[in-house]
Amino acid sequence: EAGVAQSPRYKIIEKRQSVAFWCNPISGHATLYWYQQILGQGPKLLIQFQNNGVVDDSQLPKDRFSAERLKGVDSTLKIQPAKLEDSAVYLCASSLRGDPFFGPGTRLTVL
Amino acid sequence: QKEVEQDPGPLSVPEGAIVSLNCTYSNSAFQYFMWYRQYSRKGPELLMYTYSSGNKEDGRFTAQVDKSSKYISLFIRDSQPSDSATYLCAMSEYGGATNKLIFGTGTLLAVQP
Repeated sequence: EAGVAQSPRYKIIEKRQSVAFWCNPISGHATLYWYQQILGQGPKLLIQFQNNGVVDDSQLPKDRFSAERLKGVDSTLKIQPAKLEDSAVYLCASSLRGDPFFGPGTRLTVL
Repeated sequence: QKEVEQDPGPLSVPEGAIVSLNCTYSNSAFQYFMWYRQYSRKGPELLMYTYSSGNKEDGRFTAQVDKSSKYISLFIRDSQPSDSATYLCAMSEYGGATNKLIFGTGTLLAVQP
């Protein structure tokens, strides 16, 4: 079974620039999550999709972050404009029954 | 007070030791408890999944949940250098697709050969 795929793996940008991350979940997994993991902290949920509908986006900074999941499969997370405090690993996860399987993450550095 | 507290370590033990990792939490509504292992520059990997109070064993790993004390533990027997990683506890009120996991900060474990 293929795992959760994410790209790019690493991204370095300057503050106020835009960036987008892509995620392809495990086939058949209806639930997709985006987490933010700041160095030395546990993952924090940004947004959760059930198929292509949003279940929870209460911790997504909507003034700068946006996410979509077209056709209930792949998803993109965008940050525009980026701030220094957005430096983190962005983890995508998917699940079938509620126990998320994580991808390798995208490490974002904002200079 | 954070919803989930976890000692960040680092914890260093010799190979073969028994390791005890712990989390405390404040939300009495949590019913589902998980332990994830995260190797450097990798995503978290699910190790153990338990519901409500009690023990669950899987090979060298044992998860314990004490809901009355709001305390969960992960024990690793006969620890190996390959167990060196960050261990994250996570918990949620609901199971299934509507769950919202709250993670601890993780404990960094180093097993010395």
